[in-house]
Amino acid sequence: KAGVTQTPRYLIKTRGQQVTLSCSPISGHRSVSWYQQTPGQGLQFLFEYFSETQRNKGNFPGRFSGRQFSNSRSEMNVSTLELGDSALYLCASSLGWGETEAFFGQGTRLTVV
Amino acid sequence: ILNVEQSPQSLHVQEGDSTNFTCSFPSSNFYALHWYRWETAKSPEALFVMTLNGDEKKKGRISATLNTKEGYSYLYIKGSQPEDSATYLCAPSSNTGKLIFGQGTTLQVKP
Repeated sequence: KAGVTQTPRYLIKTRGQQVTLSCSPISGHRSVSWYQQTPGQGLQFLFEYFSETQRNKGNFPGRFSGRQFSNSRSEMNVSTLELGDSALYLCASSLGWGETEAFFGQGTRLTVV
Repeated sequence: ILNVEQSPQSLHVQEGDSTNFTCSFPSSNFYALHWYRWETAKSPEALFVMTLNGDEKKKGRISATLNTKEGYSYLYIKGSQPEDSATYLCAPSSNTGKLIFGQGTTLQVKP
């Protein structure tokens, strides 16, 4: 069974630009969550989508947004990039309930210069 | 769910030593507690998901216990091996699967 796939793996963007990251979940998983990890920080929850609806949202500015498609694939968008947005962005898919484990992708390493 | 704390922050042990880490979380509105192992250059991998007070899970040399009333979980590794070197993350979850991760405990096992 294929795992969670994130594209691209690495990305370099300039301050002020926008970026879109993609996540393809495990087949049958309806929940996709996004996390940010910056140096010295743990995994910070961004948002979670379930059946195309945003069900949970973390404490991030409105520049961070996402969506989920009918095939459960999800995209995350960051507009007006700032240097502080440089981070590893991980997505995780699950069946969607708190007692089910999440499966993580390899992540997208975003560098903002 | 706020204030998930893990201790110690890092740990260096010799091969063969047994070790344990602590995860503290608010006991109110508890739904489930997840443990993940994150090796360098890999993705976080689920170890356990626990929901019941007093629950104990085991996978090989690794086991975990849960106390939902006082809001803590312990992860034990018996006879640590170099391949156990990783960051161990705990995360309480809501009923909808939102995970709030602690900062993790980084374990280094020396051969």
